[in-house]
Amino acid sequence: KNEVEQSPQNLTAQEGEFITINCSYSVGISALHWLQQHPGGGIVSLFMLSSGKKKHGRLIATINIQEKHSSLHITASHPRDSAVYICAVSSYTGNQFYFGTGTSLTVIP
Amino acid sequence: DAGVTQSPTHLIKTRGQHVTLRCSPISGHKSVSWYQQVLGQGPQFIFQYYEKEERGRGNFPDRFSARQFPNYSSELNVNALLLGDSALYLCASSLEAVLTEAFFGQGTRLTVV
Repeated sequence: KNEVEQSPQNLTAQEGEFITINCSYSVGISALHWLQQHPGGGIVSLFMLSSGKKKHGRLIATINIQEKHSSLHITASHPRDSAVYICAVSSYTGNQFYFGTGTSLTVIP
Repeated sequence: DAGVTQSPTHLIKTRGQHVTLRCSPISGHKSVSWYQQVLGQGPQFIFQYYEKEERGRGNFPDRFSARQFPNYSSELNVNALLLGDSALYLCASSLEAVLTEAFFGQGTRLTVV
């Protein structure tokens, strides 16, 4: 069993739709990261969370520490949001990340 | 302030060769971690270095080695390359050993032919 599970694996949405990607983890963490990866590209860090909720533009990330669950929401989705979104947690011992396998998002105009 | 920089961005090597990948962390960051991302999979932890010492190692063969220099930059070395080593190699930089806040480089895409 992976330490970090994401759902869905693949997601196709119409432009303008509200999108939710979920992440569950099983290890004790010091922080959870949401990352974005465009095809062939490197990774961009979107959010780092240890509690509560953060918002940046059309992106919102929430975390529930008790339930070991986080969600990434995209409001008013746009084709340029098409990418792979990866949930990663830094372990409580702190020396490595555990990554989910990613959610591939395609937003159709 | 420059972010995490990795070099080269792309690299093609033949089987059996050796490769060195480089990472410069954000100024002031003392920890560098290396990850391998094979196409279609999530990144896998290879090494973490903090203050020039290895702090953690993932499940990779001894062909993989790394080091960190006094200026906190790091090199990842892979010997006797195999086709399966073809991947995106990512470097993450953090202030301290605990990865509460970390920043990723754009990666080096290695193709072994």
